[in-house]
Amino acid sequence: KQEVTQIPAALSVPEGENLVLNCSFTDSAIYNLQWFRQDPGKGLTSLLLIQSSQREQTSGRLNASLDKSSGRSTLYIAASQPGDSATYLCAVRSGGGADGLTFGKGTHLIIQP
Amino acid sequence: GAVVSQHPSWVICKSGTSVKIECRSLDFQATTMFWYRQFPKQSLMLMATSNEGSKATYEQGVEKDKFLINHASLTLSTLTVTSAHPEDSSFYICSAPGALAYNEQFFGPGTRLTVL
Repeated sequence: KQEVTQIPAALSVPEGENLVLNCSFTDSAIYNLQWFRQDPGKGLTSLLLIQSSQREQTSGRLNASLDKSSGRSTLYIAASQPGDSATYLCAVRSGGGADGLTFGKGTHLIIQP
Repeated sequence: GAVVSQHPSWVICKSGTSVKIECRSLDFQATTMFWYRQFPKQSLMLMATSNEGSKATYEQGVEKDKFLINHASLTLSTLTVTSAHPEDSSFYICSAPGALAYNEQFFGPGTRLTVL
């Protein structure tokens, strides 16, 4: 059974810093990996999607990498801003495309002004 | 991008009553939708896969008779929590895969259920 782990569980940094969030998964036979942002009491906002054949994706200040063989992904946030404060979730889709996602517990990020 | 809506956004009900939550894909068709549950300070857990025209498939430990799923059309799936109890209080969120070969998952805004 696929398990997804995110480290750290929480992170608080001053504004402007570059930071890295980590995600690992136990079964490397994934279809794709998706990073989400969740604000308190809200739904999910998709940030980046990486297909199993890809190694990274970029969107603005966000860069996500995927090392499928080692079961790892990182989300890099450049020049962090207070508005980046949220919980960041990593989720993988295993096997065929008809599967739901397996989520990690998330990294709760606070960017101090 | 594709838009998924949920209704209601929040609901408070008495113990023993049933609650129906709707999930709609607004600008695309979805033969499959997924239902997740999120308890406070926990991550999302997949509950079941809703299939248009056939029975839903449930994850281990999820009671199919308690959480009734109906995928009535290519744009609508409903989750009914029957005989709700306080321990069913949670954040319920649905998703649907986009049109391109199950690439990206698009999530609804979620429904906060509180059972008194």
